[in-house]
Amino acid sequence: QQQVKQSPQSLIVQKGGISIINCAYENTAFDYFPWYQQFPGKGPALLIAIRPDVSEKKEGRFTISFNKSAKQFSLHIMDSQPGDSATYFCAANAGNYQLIWGAGTKLIIKP
Amino acid sequence: DAGITQSPRHKVTETGTPVTLRCHQTENHRYMYWYRQDPGHGLRLIHYSYGVKDTDKGEVSDGYSVSRSKTEDFLLTLESATSSQTSVYFCAIKKAQRTSGASSYNEQFFGPGTRLTVL
Repeated sequence: QQQVKQSPQSLIVQKGGISIINCAYENTAFDYFPWYQQFPGKGPALLIAIRPDVSEKKEGRFTISFNKSAKQFSLHIMDSQPGDSATYFCAANAGNYQLIWGAGTKLIIKP
Repeated sequence: DAGITQSPRHKVTETGTPVTLRCHQTENHRYMYWYRQDPGHGLRLIHYSYGVKDTDKGEVSDGYSVSRSKTEDFLLTLESATSSQTSVYFCAIKKAQRTSGASSYNEQFFGPGTRLTVL
């Protein structure tokens, strides 16, 4: 019940295409859902986050879609660029100051 | 980057030796975390701290201990390193919690990582 399941493990998208990464959770007490972006050799960096009282949040080319009833949320990267190639992690706030993390998705954008 | 540094950045050690990793922050955040990152496992919490001398275990705490004697420093110690502890270790801080209605935020910011190899 404390897990966050992330898919796919890896994803290859053509430049200009839409990248979609999905996460699912079980615990309805989770109350904050961030996405992190990590480049090789670097620490994860907060990309965008959403609360469960909102169904969508957009920041530039990055959008989180949130489906509370299905307990799923996804990251959409519009007009994907080679510079977006990175590993992406979803997470959920467990309410005790801990984040529960997905296993990560390695995204490759082909030029 | 939330003013987080980690030292050393790379370390190679032998099985059975003690190892201490240091995380240093400059912004006086209360919460600090140690994670390990391994392929296929994402980020797994080792220990976290919610104040000076206040620490708690995460999901993979066996074989690790921590100490926080000053707000700015959070130390992770492997008392007797094993090959299974070969990993990349990340320190993180949580910025002061904001709330909006019934929801809360847990914005964590990460250091650059320490790559540890145990031979």
